[in-house]
Amino acid sequence: SAVISQKPSRDICQRGTSLTIQCQVDSQVTMMFWYRQQPGQSLTLIATANQGSEATYESGFVIDKFPISRPNLTFSTLTVSNMSPEDSSIYLCSVDDSGYTFGSGTRLTVV
Amino acid sequence: EDKVVQSPLSLVVHEGDTVTLNCSYEVTNFRSLLWYKQEKKAPTFLFMLTSSGIEKKSGRLSSILDKKELFSILNITATQTGDSAVYLCAVEIQGAQKLVFGQGTRLTINP
Repeated sequence: SAVISQKPSRDICQRGTSLTIQCQVDSQVTMMFWYRQQPGQSLTLIATANQGSEATYESGFVIDKFPISRPNLTFSTLTVSNMSPEDSSIYLCSVDDSGYTFGSGTRLTVV
Repeated sequence: EDKVVQSPLSLVVHEGDTVTLNCSYEVTNFRSLLWYKQEKKAPTFLFMLTSSGIEKKSGRLSSILDKKELFSILNITATQTGDSAVYLCAVEIQGAQKLVFGQGTRLTINP
């Protein structure tokens, strides 16, 4: 299965700032997925990122708040913009490799 | 609306016990059902099920899918303290290539 390197592992950020999370995959993949897991909750899909096209966002998530880049078939970034304490969550990237492998996750705390 | 429901939400047992975790679903276009184990941040893949009645097994863990009754179970026999984790069930939606997650079952194994 694919190996995904995700960073940062954790961060504590001030409200109103932005954080960019990176995922690097060890093989080329068509689609990458970004999930959010709020405290005590399950995973919710934020958006799906294809290389060379705009990301597709799920209901409740918008590009201005969560801009995504997908410059090539092995890399993607998710930015959490203008953060508030409600954005404190674990953010995970994932790829579909016959089992949906996940990155190691980013634990974000907004103060 | 696509929905995945897990039960129980929390379970505490003694080492050596056998546990059964449940997952029921109502989705528009079912493709597969996946089970994950989440200990810290990143869910780790356990099983993918696509066909009814075929048991998948890995060591002390096994899982089966019933596509008629729309549910799956995950069994863990001879539990160990290392099995303590949140177990997530997710359904892959055909055509959308997205996962819809249940709330998870928090399993605690006491020595």
